[in-house]
Parts: sequence; structure tokens; C-alpha cells
Amino acid sequence: GQQLNQSPQSMFIQEGEDVSMNCTSSSIFNTWLWYKQDPGEGPVLLIALYKAGELTSNGRLTAQFGITRKDSFLNISASIPSDVGIYFCAGPTSGTYKYIFGTGTRLKVLA
Amino acid sequence: KAGVTQTPRYLIKTRGQQVTLSCSPISGHRSVSWYQQTPGQGLQFLFEYFSETQRNKGNFPGRFSGRQFSNSRSEMNVSTLELGDSALYLCASSLTPTSGGVVADTQYFGPGTRLTVL
Repeated sequence: GQQLNQSPQSMFIQEGEDVSMNCTSSSIFNTWLWYKQDPGEGPVLLIALYKAGELTSNGRLTAQFGITRKDSFLNISASIPSDVGIYFCAGPTSGTYKYIFGTGTRLKVLA
Repeated sequence: KAGVTQTPRYLIKTRGQQVTLSCSPISGHRSVSWYQQTPGQGLQFLFEYFSETQRNKGNFPGRFSGRQFSNSRSEMNVSTLELGDSALYLCASSLTPTSGGVVADTQYFGPGTRLTVL
């Protein structure tokens, strides 16, 4: 079945550094979503992408919808301690109504 | 506007028991989806309801069931609990459901119900 692989699985970075993570799929997606989940809470939508090649920003976050439609990238600039959490990519599977989620990237920021 | 609410937030049950979890979507949202989140399997889709009808179901045994009421509130039930059912159960709501791989409306998640099966 369809899978979303995220990399890296986890990362430690220094406060102020930029962060990059990506998500790849075995099949084409028409929409890419990026969520962040804090411990004990549900995921919160960060950015939604609807078109191949699209580049969208939300504050210090920038995400891109890959041209092949099989990947997406999320960048965080000038990271701060509250960026700590798990970042998930997600998308709706074609032909059905369900979403699938990536394996997640756990981000830890060292002050 | 209030967000998605889930009750209870925490629950402890023993094997063989059954449990009912509740989700109230954002006002005006008619689609409710349920997910199971575990450290080993990540976030997995359980089912989606729209207008009181189940539109799709993930790969979970029949012990997992759900329903949606006319006010869009939803419940999910797990019968004959197993240790492996321990997880964070998340509910997400949207105005309308996804259709053919295109997101009609964004899903917003609730805080989840943490179920522990002993």
C-alpha cells in the first residue's frame, strides 16, 4: 500500500539553526499537509500544499510540493526551543477518503 | 470558535472490557475522522464519517466501530480490549470529507484520548 517516508527520523539542532526535512511517497499525491505534534496533544496543521511546485510559507516555516508530486519538503529557519516536537507529513490517498501520515521527524532544539 | 474536543482525555481499562470515546467536531464541520497513534505504527486511519454515514474504513478489526450523530458528534467503540489497543486515539474534523485524493477541507485534530489497556 501507499507509504510516506520521512527523513530524518530525528534531529538535534542548536537554537538559531535552520532545519530541513522531507517526505517521500511511493505514489503521487495531489495534496501535501505538514503537521506538528507537541507531547500529549493532537497534530496541528502548519502548511497545506495543493499544486506541484508550490512553495508556501507560514512565518519561519516554508514547505514545497515536489515537482514529481511524490515528495515534499519542510524548512524551518532560525529554530527556537518551542519548535521542539514531531513533524508529520500527510496526504489523502487517491480514490479513497482516507489520509495517510508519514513516519514523523522528531525535532529537538538545544538552547 | 471552539476546537475539536475529545472526552475523556485519559482512560484505563483492562483486557476484555469495552470502551467508548467521544468527539465533538468544530461547529459547522460535518466530517469526522478517527486515528490511532502508537509509537510503533504511527498515525493510522480508523474510519471517517460524514452525514452520519461511514465513508471509509482503515485496516482494523471489527472490534473497532464508530458512529456519527445528527449533530455531527461522533463516538468510537472498541470491544474486547487487547493490550495492543493501548494508544492515543485522535479525532479530526473538517467541513467536508476528502474526495478522490484531493483535500476538500483541512482536517483539524483534537487533543486525543489516551487509552491504556492493562
